[in-house]
Amino acid sequence: QSALTQPRSVSGSPGQSVTISCTGTSSDVGGYNFVSWYQQHPGKAPKVLIYDVSKRPSGVPDRFFGSKSDNTASLTISGLQAEDEADYYCCSYEGSHTFHLVFGGGTKLTVL
Amino acid sequence: QVQLHQWGAGLLKPSETLSLTCVVSGGSFSGYYWTWIRQPPGKGLEWIGEINHTGGKNYSPSLKSRITISVDTSKNQFSLKLTSVTAADTAVYYCARTIVGATGAFDIWGLGTMVTVSS
Repeated sequence: QSALTQPRSVSGSPGQSVTISCTGTSSDVGGYNFVSWYQQHPGKAPKVLIYDVSKRPSGVPDRFFGSKSDNTASLTISGLQAEDEADYYCCSYEGSHTFHLVFGGGTKLTVL
Repeated sequence: QVQLHQWGAGLLKPSETLSLTCVVSGGSFSGYYWTWIRQPPGKGLEWIGEINHTGGKNYSPSLKSRITISVDTSKNQFSLKLTSVTAADTAVYYCARTIVGATGAFDIWGLGTMVTVSS
């Protein structure tokens, strides 16, 4: 069982927006602004989309938007494209140990 | 362009030690944290641990008793050892680079090494 809770699947049509949630506790998501999001296509290594809750690395389109409210972080993808179909994972610093990072269980995004 | 090339044994028997190495090319080795992450077949990601060029390291509490992450700055490489493996350690193991100044943000990844534990 993953430390962070994500919906198993979400879907949307091309051009639409979808939001993926990532729920934790005050010891991880709610306590720190160290939430990141990853996109993973089948058989490939993950790719970072968002870090520090809402920062985008160079090269990541601004269609990907990260936010956080209390113990839940969210990834919103606007203007859905076929190539957005992938698995998405959230990751957070977890502060009850010396240093620990925890991932969500992953969300499968289907572009209809 | 920074690349991570990883290698190690892909098939182990229970109780053996997993050993993987990741070499960094095309960029600086110093100033970054270098990370190991694994993914069991069909499942999610799990953070294993990290190390920097001076040997500063952090380990997952659940794996801490069995893992050692080391660094060889002369070769721009870092390594993972996981002792007493079981079938539960079967996974794709990735090495990755942490974005400078960020926490839990990995911008460069190796291709992954599939490690299977089976008798």
